[in-house]
Amino acid sequence: GQQLNQSPQSMFIQEGEDVSMNCTSSSIFNTWLWYKQDPGEGPVLLIALYKAGELTSNGRLTAQFGITRKDSFLNISASIPSDVGIYFCAGSTSGTYKYIFGTGTRLKVLA
Amino acid sequence: DAGITQSPRHKVTETGTPVTLRCHQTENHRYMYWYRQDPGHGLRLIHYSYGVKDTDKGEVSDGYSVSRSKTEDFLLTLESATSSQTSVYFCAISVGQGSPDTQYFGPGTRLTVL
Repeated sequence: GQQLNQSPQSMFIQEGEDVSMNCTSSSIFNTWLWYKQDPGEGPVLLIALYKAGELTSNGRLTAQFGITRKDSFLNISASIPSDVGIYFCAGSTSGTYKYIFGTGTRLKVLA
Repeated sequence: DAGITQSPRHKVTETGTPVTLRCHQTENHRYMYWYRQDPGHGLRLIHYSYGVKDTDKGEVSDGYSVSRSKTEDFLLTLESATSSQTSVYFCAISVGQGSPDTQYFGPGTRLTVL
């Protein structure tokens, strides 16, 4: 099935560093969502984006809706150990109620 | 958590047995979804529902059926479980006014088929 390309697949970073990850698609999306998943739990919504070029923050997290509408970016500033987890992007087109999910970026933070 | 519960949270069953997973929501949202999550595949849509008795297939629907007789409950049934259906199953709801809406997930059900 169709999936988004999410990169990097995994990353180790030092506590305090900034983190960047992105998702790209061959399709144009009207909505992008970013989730974080901790082990043994369901994905938790972090940020929702609804307009090309939109930049939205949630605490230390900032996400952007790419102007081509085929990509999105998530940045985490000054990472802390609890940022560890898997981050997923999801995209959807207008008129549908279905989302396509990326395969995730596994983040590990070294104290 | 958007008022979503899933039951059971863990289940071990044998190949060939039927299995039903339940998703319950408390806020009367119209759209509900079942996904499976496997390493390397992310979340893949199995079935979704857009109202009572209204359901449609997702990308990995073979071997699964669903039912929604009440707004608050969405059931996923494996008619005859196979080892390839060992996975973590997540229910989600769609929240919002527009199309598409944001999605919120339940805590998941870990299913092991021996």
